[in-house]
This record gives sequence, C-alpha cells and structure tokens, in this order.
Amino acid sequence: GENVEQHPSTLSVQEGDSAVIKCTYSDSASNYFPWYKQELGKRPQLIIDIRSNVGEKKDQRIAVTLNKTAKHFSLHITETQPEDSAVYFCAATPRDAGNKLTFGGGTRVLVKP
Amino acid sequence: NAGVTQTPKFQVLKTGQSMTLQCAQDMNHNSMYWYRQDPGMGLRLIYYSASEGTTDKGEVPNGYNVSRLNKREFSLRLESAAPSQTSVYFCASSEQRHRTDQPQHFGDGTRLSIL
Repeated sequence: GENVEQHPSTLSVQEGDSAVIKCTYSDSASNYFPWYKQELGKRPQLIIDIRSNVGEKKDQRIAVTLNKTAKHFSLHITETQPEDSAVYFCAATPRDAGNKLTFGGGTRVLVKP
Repeated sequence: NAGVTQTPKFQVLKTGQSMTLQCAQDMNHNSMYWYRQDPGMGLRLIYYSASEGTTDKGEVPNGYNVSRLNKREFSLRLESAAPSQTSVYFCASSEQRHRTDQPQHFGDGTRLSIL
C-alpha cells in the first residue's frame, strides 16, 4: 500500500516569512495529492490539491508543487499570517484506489507575530 | 446545508461496552469514509463505502464494523470497546467520478475515550 512521509513535524516561522512542508510517497501509481489544514479541535479542511498531470498549482498565498519522478510534493505558504498557525496534512491516493487517502503524519506550523 | 454531521461529539465508554457512531451527509455524495486520528498522528482510514450497499476495509479495520444505511448515512460500530480505540473519529464524504479522485469533506469528529 501507499506510504506518505511528511517533514518537518513542527515549523516555526516569523510572520511574513514563507513556510515549506515536504511530503514523499511510495506508490508511483498515486495521482491525487490533497493538502488539509486542521486548527486545534476542528475538522481537517481542504486548502489545495493537485493531480499528477500538473506540476504546480497556486491559490493566492498557497502553492503546491509535484515532482512525480522523485515522488515528492510540497506545500508553500508565502507571507505567513498568525491565522496560518495550524497542523497541515498531506495525503496521496493511487488511481483506481477508490479515493482512499493515505495521510502524512502532519506538520504543526506556528506563525509568530 | 450542514455538510457532514457526526453524532455524538463526545463519548466516554468502559472497556467492553459497545456503541455506534453516526454520520450523515447532505451533499448527495456517493462515497463515505471513517478515519481515526490519534495524538501526533495523521488520519488513518478504518473503513470506506464507495456507494450505497458497498463497504471495504481500510488500513485499521480490526475491532470495528460499519453499515451504509442509505446514501446519506454511514455508521461505525465498536462491538467491544478497548482502551486502544480511544481516539478522535472523523467521517468524510466525497463525490465519485469515474477514475478521478475528488476532495473529501470532513465532519467535526467524535472524541471517544475508553476507560
């Protein structure tokens, strides 16, 4: 089955700086890679996703890049704000796996004002 | 439009007790999922249902059963609760399009403690 590793486990940045979270996956058949943000005590919420036919996707201050050859993908948050503080999870799912996501272990991001 | 609704929000059980966690979605999604989230870990898939009438095991199915009651509802049952099942349980749902994965939408979770 799929295995997803996520680094770093914690990340502290100054407000206004950029944050980068990296994930690697094991199954070369994986083709869908969502990112979720989870605030303390709340539900995971989708913030951006990318499919294997695309190398990069942006949505305002958030971007995701995918390197299929190396089997890794990254989340980039620019101009961080205190409300970006949360736990971020990457996930992957192989094609035809019934949309069954395998999650990374999460990255706790703290944005210091 | 409530999205995905889970009940109860909190529950404390004694070892050996049974209970059912309820989940309902109003987005007309075909697929539904149950995950558990332990402290410091990501979500792990327990069971999923691609469509009404079908269920399939995920990564950690032992000790659980599920029922896809209809298109809206997907329940998770613990027959004999064990302390190792103390966790936060999330239900999710998604559309199902042929060979194209769709975003999953999560409920607020059920915080379950087993003593």
